[in-house]
Amino acid sequence: DVKVTQSSRYLVKRTGEKVFLECVQDMDHENMFWYRQDPGLGLRLIYFSYDVKMKEKGDIPEGYSVSREKKERFSLILESASTNQTSMYLCASRDRARDGYTFGSGTRLTVV
Amino acid sequence: AQSVSQHNHHVILSEAASLELGCNYSYGGTVNLFWYVQYPGQHLQLLLKYFSGDPLVKGIKGFEAEFIKSKFSFNLRKPSVQWSDTAEYFCAVNANTDKLIFGTGTRLQVFP
Repeated sequence: DVKVTQSSRYLVKRTGEKVFLECVQDMDHENMFWYRQDPGLGLRLIYFSYDVKMKEKGDIPEGYSVSREKKERFSLILESASTNQTSMYLCASRDRARDGYTFGSGTRLTVV
Repeated sequence: AQSVSQHNHHVILSEAASLELGCNYSYGGTVNLFWYVQYPGQHLQLLLKYFSGDPLVKGIKGFEAEFIKSKFSFNLRKPSVQWSDTAEYFCAVNANTDKLIFGTGTRLQVFP
């Protein structure tokens, strides 16, 4: 089974801090994604990457950036955390051949 | 732009009742359709998916969904729900891109 691992389950950060959320997948998938999940809003795509060093903005990229230096790792960066970025962040990896998406367990980030 | 609508935000049922959750998407071309479930405190799991062929798709745990192209719909059904089906359900669409777009989710509560 594909495994998508998010390094932290819970994080608490202060406003203005730079925050790194890490995601690692173990199946050599080309595509990786970052979503945020908020009650009543579902999952909204922040950024995705279709290969190493390749990235594309999703629907809500403002305030975020990403890094994909290695195929297995996709990092989400909050340059200067704000309270409205308090959310559950989900990473996903995609098997293009089967069009299957696998999700990590999520990181619940609280910005105080 | 692709979008996905789930009109039922919160559904409350008694055990053994039948379930139908609505999902409509806006995209005129070929689509791949998914239903995911998120049990309390757990990560997203795939219930079923439709790529092509028989428009009636059977998934895990007794769920099924019907793709009706003329209505741009992919409704989820289960003839008899159980208390363990209490969860949040998300419809998602991939329209020949790398992106998976989600609806806002439907929270299902099943009472014994």
